[in-house]
Amino acid sequence: DVKVTQSSRYLVKRTGEKVFLECVQDMDHENMFWYRQDPGLGLRLIYFSYDVKMKEKGDIPEGYSVSREKKERFSLILESASTNQTSMYLCASREGGNNEQFFGPGTRLTVL
Amino acid sequence: AQKITQTQPGMFVQEKEAVTLDCTYDTSDPSYGLFWYKQPSSGEMIFLIYQGSYDQQNATEGRYSLNFQKARKSANLVISASQLGDSAMYFCAMREGDYGNQFYFGTGTSLTVIP
Repeated sequence: DVKVTQSSRYLVKRTGEKVFLECVQDMDHENMFWYRQDPGLGLRLIYFSYDVKMKEKGDIPEGYSVSREKKERFSLILESASTNQTSMYLCASREGGNNEQFFGPGTRLTVL
Repeated sequence: AQKITQTQPGMFVQEKEAVTLDCTYDTSDPSYGLFWYKQPSSGEMIFLIYQGSYDQQNATEGRYSLNFQKARKSANLVISASQLGDSAMYFCAMREGDYGNQFYFGTGTSLTVIP
């Protein structure tokens, strides 16, 4: 089975802090994704990566950056956390083609 | 315009009954894929079913089936014989193009199964 893990289930940070969210997948998938999920808004794509060191902006990249130095690891970085970045963050991976995404358990981030 | 629209914020169904969750999509690309995911209260997103735009038959996976009406651009999820464990959020999603990686998600439908 594909396993996607995220470094924390719950995280509390202060405004202005730099925040790192880590995601690791164990199935050698080329593609990895970061979403945020907010009530009433569904899932919105922040960034995705189709290869090591390659990244593409999604719908809401502002205030975020990403890093993919190894194929299995995709990091989301909040350079200076703000309260409006309080949300659930979901990481996913997939092979190409018509295959589905496999999701991690999510990180619920609270920025105070 | 929204790529994926789910108009039912909440639904209730009696145990053992069937339920249909609505999803409409918007794309001009002839090649696309439609997905349904389930998200229980634990938060994990679970893939349920996939329908390709060129698939002639409606997709089925156990108690899940996808009612694909291409001309109406709808991809409704049908759950037969509902169980208490089906209570969850359900999300419809679309991927455009043959090699596209961007998935568009709807806002979700919260399903509650009543004993």
